[in-house]
Amino acid sequence: QVQLQQSGPGLVKPSQTLSLTCAISGDSVSSNSAAWNWIRQSPSRGLEWLGRTYYRSKWYNDYALSVKSRITINPDTSKNQFSLQLNSVTPEDTAVYYCAGSVDTEFDYWGQGTLVTVSS
Amino acid sequence: DIQMTQSPSSLSASVGDRVTITCRASQSISGYLNWYQQKPGKAPNLLIHSASSLQSGVPARFSGSGSGTDFTLTISSLQPEDFATYYCHQSYTTPITFGQGTRLEIK
Repeated sequence: QVQLQQSGPGLVKPSQTLSLTCAISGDSVSSNSAAWNWIRQSPSRGLEWLGRTYYRSKWYNDYALSVKSRITINPDTSKNQFSLQLNSVTPEDTAVYYCAGSVDTEFDYWGQGTLVTVSS
Repeated sequence: DIQMTQSPSSLSASVGDRVTITCRASQSISGYLNWYQQKPGKAPNLLIHSASSLQSGVPARFSGSGSGTDFTLTISSLQPEDFATYYCHQSYTTPITFGQGTRLEIK
């Protein structure tokens, strides 16, 4: 059974960097068949896919255009986890952030969610 | 981006009712359509993948159909635990996109 455990601060100041981590158990971040995603949810934007990292003989990343200039998703093979960094945050980045794993194309596994508030 | 439009946005129904939620894609997504159920304070939970395949452990009263641009999620006989918000999701291409959700409420 795959489980995802999120960690990271729930409050970030405007213009600073939002950083979250998702620890994987029951699968490998280096799996050749899985992809590891970050998704956020807010009342104004609904469910919004932010990006993913995956390994297919080498590492790949895909990012949503809406955040492409500000986002980095990195795998950490030594800790079997992956991370989200979102730079230059504004109050519009306030949302519940989820990590999610997809073995085929659907999101089979989800983290517990982290409410991140951007406020001074 | 592929736009996913769900209807209705909200729905009132009673225990035992048959309910259908529709999802329309702005372009063909073949069968790359998935359905999730979300309850307050929880992450979405996968119900149906690949338009019509029931996820392991999901009750058989849930079913999905469709291909191309038009898809449906049907709950054959509503149970009390089914009152939640439902989302469709296209995994045909990036950027991955979701419908806006359908809130299913008790009548």
